Amino acid sequence: TQLLEQSPQFLSIQEGENLTVYCNSSSVFSSLQWYRQEPGEGPVLLVTVVTGGEVKKLKRLTFQFGDARKDSSLHITAAQPGDTGLYLCAGALSNTDKLIFGTGTRLQVFP
Amino acid sequence: NAGVMQNPRHLVRRRGQEARLRCSPMKGHSHVYWYRQLPEEGLKFMVYLQKENIIDESGMPKERFSAEFPKEGPSILRIQQVVRGDSAAYFCASSPGDTVTYFGPGTRLLVL
Repeated sequence: TQLLEQSPQFLSIQEGENLTVYCNSSSVFSSLQWYRQEPGEGPVLLVTVVTGGEVKKLKRLTFQFGDARKDSSLHITAAQPGDTGLYLCAGALSNTDKLIFGTGTRLQVFP
Repeated sequence: NAGVMQNPRHLVRRRGQEARLRCSPMKGHSHVYWYRQLPEEGLKFMVYLQKENIIDESGMPKERFSAEFPKEGPSILRIQQVVRGDSAAYFCASSPGDTVTYFGPGTRLLVL
């Protein structure tokens, strides 16, 4: 059972454009994490959100956790080629510590 | 503070051989998780361990796979009698217990 759906699956944009990646579920998560993964490497943690409605900013990246803690979004402002990679959301259910990963969004930013 | 360490980074095995994957968690982290990433698929949870205890193995295949996290030394994921379908990237992650989870670089297993 796929608990976390990410959209879009693929995104190709020009440098300087803005974009938003969505992570949706019918389940309530106690926390949600966003990772970026480069080819041949492990996922690198970008942010953790734990409170419904929480917004966190990391330079040009803005993360939001839905009020009901069922969904999240990642917004990138003025994308750069260095932002290219696979973006993964992952949620921890209230009654377990393991992470449930989303399907991933593969972002390509062209110069 | 060194990150999560995994070795080997790449492992090639022939069908029927054993594969042993090692993971050293971040310093101070007592929670270790193993995930598998099949080609063109997402990361799937396999097993969650604390020192000397398996907490959740709901994602582990019923046969040939085992995991341990001894009192001393790294966590080991062991795959016996490997088959081609075991070819994947295996990631170890560690946490201090607050659901913030850090991943290692992975071991890429190729079964010939």
